Amino acid sequence: ETGVTQSPTHLIKTRGQQVTLRCSSQSGHNTVSWYQQALGQGPQFIFQYYREEENGRGNFPPRFSGLQFPNYSSELNVNALELDDSALYLCASGTGDSEQYFGPGTRLTVT
Amino acid sequence: GEDVEQSLFLSVREGDSSVINCTYTDSSSTYLYWYKQEPGAGLQLLTYIFSNMDMKQDQRLTVLLNKKDKHLSLRIADTQTGDSAIYFCAEALYGGSQGNLIFGKGTKLSVKP
Repeated sequence: ETGVTQSPTHLIKTRGQQVTLRCSSQSGHNTVSWYQQALGQGPQFIFQYYREEENGRGNFPPRFSGLQFPNYSSELNVNALELDDSALYLCASGTGDSEQYFGPGTRLTVT
Repeated sequence: GEDVEQSLFLSVREGDSSVINCTYTDSSSTYLYWYKQEPGAGLQLLTYIFSNMDMKQDQRLTVLLNKKDKHLSLRIADTQTGDSAIYFCAEALYGGSQGNLIFGKGTKLSVKP
């Protein structure tokens, strides 16, 4: 158990819709990162938040956005969903040093 | 650009040692990680090594780092059927946030009884 939880576990959306995924980090972890893992691939870095501000972004378009809250929770928002957005979305929290702990992920299916 | 390569499959017998290999391209890596992913689950941090170290041992796990060849390996001693999973190698880049991990595609380890 990493102490990182995500909700929902599974989600089905239609192309063009918007989705919000949630993550609850361990107490004391001030960084949260989001990753997209397509089937059969390794996770791809979307962005990181540190003390409620974006602190690094991967090669993802602006329709992927996020928020981090003072209570160690965070959100990933994706607008205008595309079929290729179907993936496992993972959040990871840490204290900004060497260790990051991943949640179980949210499986998003876009039809 | 940054790239992390792993072989896709490894099959071993229970009780044998497993060695999973990884190569990376960016010499400015700070930390290198091994994560384990079981079916339908998230990633479990197994171990990591700082880029100025050559070896790290943690119970059944031994990590070897060859900086000259940009080669990382994970050895699992006395492999058990519960070790069957996908193993990901990842690097964190110097100057980037620690959250920006570059992952390989994963090595699927199958352990036969």
